[in-house]
Amino acid sequence: GAGVSQSPRYKVAKRGQDVALRCDPISGHVSLFWYQQALGQGPEFLTYFQNEAQLDKSGLPSDRFFAERPEGSVSTLKIQRTQQEDSAVYLCASSPGRAGHYNEQFFGPGTRLTVL
Amino acid sequence: AQSVSQHNHHVILSEAASLELGCNYSYGGTVNLFWYVQYPGQHLQLLLKYFSGDPLVKGIKGFEAEFIKSKFSFNLRKPSVQWSDTAEYFCAVNARVSWGKLQFGAGTQVVVTP
Repeated sequence: GAGVSQSPRYKVAKRGQDVALRCDPISGHVSLFWYQQALGQGPEFLTYFQNEAQLDKSGLPSDRFFAERPEGSVSTLKIQRTQQEDSAVYLCASSPGRAGHYNEQFFGPGTRLTVL
Repeated sequence: AQSVSQHNHHVILSEAASLELGCNYSYGGTVNLFWYVQYPGQHLQLLLKYFSGDPLVKGIKGFEAEFIKSKFSFNLRKPSVQWSDTAEYFCAVNARVSWGKLQFGAGTQVVVTP
C-alpha cells in the first residue's frame, strides 16, 4: 500500500516568503508527527496530532510555524516569513494508533526547504 | 532534558567486517527504543525496535540490538556487513509518558567498501 507522501519534495523560498508543506499520512493512521532535520543532525520533533487535535506543539521553534490537520488526515505545516535558519528537511511521520501506545512511526520522504 | 548520543558520526569498514554502533540515552523513566536507517536517496525506515521483554532484539537485514538498562544503552550490531548496508543510522528514544514523539541521535554515517 501507499506510504506517507509529502509535497513538494523540494522548495526554495526567498527570505520573508510564506511556505506551506503538505503531508499525506498512511490511510487510517490516527497519529501524525512533524519533525525538522537540519543538515548533519537527527530529526527534531515539532508537533503531534491525534486525529484532528494538535496535542503537542512544544517543538515548534517560533510562532512563525503553524500546523493543522483539519479533517484528521492530510496535514499542512506552514512557515510564515521564512528565515535562513528555517532551511532544513521537514519530515512527516504517521502511526496507526494513539501515541503512547506501542506503535512504530512511518516516515515520508521529507520536503527539503532552502531559504535564500 | 532527554537526550540521545550516538558515539560515532562516521564509520568506514570493509565488506564482511562486523559493525557495532553505540547509542546512549539520558532519561530515567521507561522508554521505547528504535534504530532507523536511511539509505541513500530513501526515507527513514525502521530497522528494529524494543518495547519490553528480551533485551536482545533482532531486526531486518541481519541487524540486532541489545538494550542494557543499567547503562542506558541500545547498541546496534551486525556480524558481517555488506556494501548495501551503506547508509545513515539513527538511534531514537520515546519516553512512554510522552505523546510518542521520538528523540533522535545525530546519526552515524556508515560506508561499507567492497
